[in-house]
Amino acid sequence: EPEVTQTPSHQVTQMGQEVILRCVPISNHLYFYWYRQILGQKVEFLVSFYNNEISEKSEIFDDQFSVERPDGSNFTLKIRSTKLEDSAMYFCASTADEQFFGPGTRLTVL
Amino acid sequence: GIQVEQSPPDLILQEGANSTLRCNFSDSVNNLQWFHQNPWGQLINLFYIPSGTKQNGRLSATTVATERYSLLYISSSQTTDSGVYFCAGGRRGSYIPTFGRGTSLIVHP
Repeated sequence: EPEVTQTPSHQVTQMGQEVILRCVPISNHLYFYWYRQILGQKVEFLVSFYNNEISEKSEIFDDQFSVERPDGSNFTLKIRSTKLEDSAMYFCASTADEQFFGPGTRLTVL
Repeated sequence: GIQVEQSPPDLILQEGANSTLRCNFSDSVNNLQWFHQNPWGQLINLFYIPSGTKQNGRLSATTVATERYSLLYISSSQTTDSGVYFCAGGRRGSYIPTFGRGTSLIVHP
């Protein structure tokens, strides 16, 4: 069964450093998403991506964040200068109708 | 945006018990899904159920779109059912689902 994959599973970084989280969506899906979940809280939408551009983004997705589809398979989320409050689980998802989520990347900012 | 309310927020069961989890939406939604977040944090798809009823083993779900709610039934619960159950749905015309705050389920042996 096709699945969404994410790397790394856990990333530890120092405040102010840049991080890139990687995702490989399901191959025939057209919409891609990033979500985050702060520990113990609900899943929050960050950004959606369709046809090689951002289609929607939330208030959380400020100038520190960017997304890219550098090739035909990968979908990345970059955080330019991490803050302590960026510590969270980051999920990638892709959809035809039903959304399928990757296993997540746990980001810890020290 | 759409408001999603889940109830109950917490649920503790003995193994073998049945339960019903509820999800209410403030407006009509599409792409309604139920997820189980396991203790390792993974979000597992349970049901994609914009309307009607579906069953998968001990789990079943019903969405009444006209009444803006969905129910998830867990029968004969097992310890492996423990975790957080989320529902999510997007407003019509959008592929962006809004998540509820979840129901935290603990099943004791």
